Amino acid sequence: GENVEQHPSTLSVQEGDSAVIKCTYSDSASNYFPWYKQELGKRPQLIIDIRSNVGEKKDQRIAVTLNKTAKHFSLHITETQPEDSAVYFCAASSGGSYIPTFGRGTSLIVHP
Amino acid sequence: EPEVTQTPSHQVTQMGQEVILRCVPISNHLYFYWYRQILGQKVEFLVSFYNNEISEKSEIFDDQFSVERPDGSNFTLKIRSTKLEDSAMYFCASSLQGEGRELFFGEGSRLTVL
Repeated sequence: GENVEQHPSTLSVQEGDSAVIKCTYSDSASNYFPWYKQELGKRPQLIIDIRSNVGEKKDQRIAVTLNKTAKHFSLHITETQPEDSAVYFCAASSGGSYIPTFGRGTSLIVHP
Repeated sequence: EPEVTQTPSHQVTQMGQEVILRCVPISNHLYFYWYRQILGQKVEFLVSFYNNEISEKSEIFDDQFSVERPDGSNFTLKIRSTKLEDSAMYFCASSLQGEGRELFFGEGSRLTVL
């Protein structure tokens, strides 16, 4: 089955800095890569996703890149704000099984 | 905005007891899921449910677990005889479609087995 590794487990940045979270996946058939944000005590919510037919997708301050050859994808947050503080989960799913496999999560702390 | 709702938010039980966690998925969604997250670990897939039957399940989802959609709105996860290692946050999720679609999560049910 799919295995998703996520790094770092904790990321601490100053407000205004950029943050990058990286994930790798094992199944070359995976074709859908969502990112979820979970604020403390709240439910995980989708913030951005990318499919294997594109290499990059951007939505305001967040962007995701995908390198299919290397089987890794990354989340980039620019101009971080304290409200970006949360746990971020990457996930991957393939056409064979549409069930997303999640990474361990990255706790992002943005210091004012 | 419609949300997935879960009850209870927190349940404490004795080892060996049966537990039922309840979920109300978003009404027009067709796919339903249970995930769990042991403290400090990754979110792990347990089971998915579509068209009134299990469509996929993980190795974690053994005979102690069962799911049911008894009345067309609730989606339940039953653990027959809880073990200490079942202590975790259990998330229910639903999606409108299967492949490559956003999962909408509930806020989770924290299960503590003593």
